[in-house]
Amino acid sequence: EPEVTQTPSHQVTQMGQEVILRCVPISNHLYFYWYRQILGQKVEFLVSFYNNEISEKSEIFDDQFSVERPDGSNFTLKIRSTKLEDSAMYFCASSRTGYMNTEAFFGQGTRLTVV
Amino acid sequence: DAKTTQPPSMDCAEGRAANLPCNHSTISGNEYVYWYRQIHSQGPQYIIHGLKNNETNEMASLIITEDRKSSTLILPHATLRDTAVYYCIAREGGADGLTFGKGTHLIIQP
Repeated sequence: EPEVTQTPSHQVTQMGQEVILRCVPISNHLYFYWYRQILGQKVEFLVSFYNNEISEKSEIFDDQFSVERPDGSNFTLKIRSTKLEDSAMYFCASSRTGYMNTEAFFGQGTRLTVV
Repeated sequence: DAKTTQPPSMDCAEGRAANLPCNHSTISGNEYVYWYRQIHSQGPQYIIHGLKNNETNEMASLIITEDRKSSTLILPHATLRDTAVYYCIAREGGADGLTFGKGTHLIIQP
């Protein structure tokens, strides 16, 4: 069964460093998403991406975040200058279409620890 | 997306049907009801969704009341592996992100 894959599974980085989280969405999917979950808290939407541009972003997705689809298969989330409060699980998701009756499938996440 | 209300936790005996309720009294006519679950810290897993008709797939059944103000997710024969947090989400925009609440922590007892 096709699945969304994320790498690495765990990333430790020093405060102030740039980090790139990688995702390979399901191959025939056109919409891509990033979510995060701080330990013990809700899953929060960050950004959606379609046709090489951002469709929607939340208040969390400020100027330190950026997304890219560099090569037609990978979908990346870059955090420019990490802060301690960026420590969280980051989940990538994809869906076939952007219609409201289309389910999104999630990857297993990258645990980001900022020290 | 409309707000949904779920009980914070529920228990169910292994082998029995688990019925998870969700209230979405302010749901609009074009909002779908989605159910996801999250096992420990894994990525949310899609279960089922529907608009107004009842739906069934290999994982679960979704019963939506006629007025669409509430719904019930049914896991017909719960196993220990069904222990997870279950999220009921009313979704309007497809390209928009899903709004997760706190969900229901379902614990399957042996």
